[in-house]
Amino acid sequence: AQSVSQHNHHVILSEAASLELGCNYSYGGTVNLFWYVQYPGQHLQLLLKYFSGDPLVKGIKGFEAEFIKSKFSFNLRKPSVQWSDTAEYFCAVPSYNTDKLIFGTGTRLQVFP
Amino acid sequence: EAQVTQNPRYLITVTGKKLTVTCSQNMNHEYMSWYRQDPGLGLRQIYYSMNVEVTDKGDVPEGYKVSRKEKRNFPLILESPSPNQTSLYFCASSSGTGVRLEQFFGPGTRLTVL
Repeated sequence: AQSVSQHNHHVILSEAASLELGCNYSYGGTVNLFWYVQYPGQHLQLLLKYFSGDPLVKGIKGFEAEFIKSKFSFNLRKPSVQWSDTAEYFCAVPSYNTDKLIFGTGTRLQVFP
Repeated sequence: EAQVTQNPRYLITVTGKKLTVTCSQNMNHEYMSWYRQDPGLGLRQIYYSMNVEVTDKGDVPEGYKVSRKEKRNFPLILESPSPNQTSLYFCASSSGTGVRLEQFFGPGTRLTVL
């Protein structure tokens, strides 16, 4: 079955540290890829998305992600995290044969001042 | 303001007592969906709807019903809730072909079934 894997379940960083969260997907065809963020007590909101073109995608709040087709990966990065980045991050990919969105299990990021 | 609204935001109920969680969007979106979020499991899709009168099962539809009589509304119905349906529920909507585009999420409904 098609799947999305996020291997980092819980990441703890100090402010100004660099961040990379892993996301791997199982389908090798044409993909659209998303990163959503959920701040404490809030709903999910889109952080960034890849549809086609430049594999390095820039999103809001200084986040970026790189689509590497050969590795089936779409890792999320930020050069210098802030306390306000404390949140849960979800990678998602549309199902290739149905109209469903498949989410990873999420990565909880805690940033300490 | 473009948004997805859900009601109620918090609900505590007892096993077997039918309940409905409402979802409404004001963006004229064709696609609407319900998810449940559980620790360690991420978000799992319950049901989705491509348009009025068109609904389909997601990954975890057992114990839930939905209807789409109007474009803006997509209520989630639990005919006989059980404790394993205690969860955080999100409604979402998007335009066009749905999952290929950004989904807009509601604020969530935290349901506890005793």
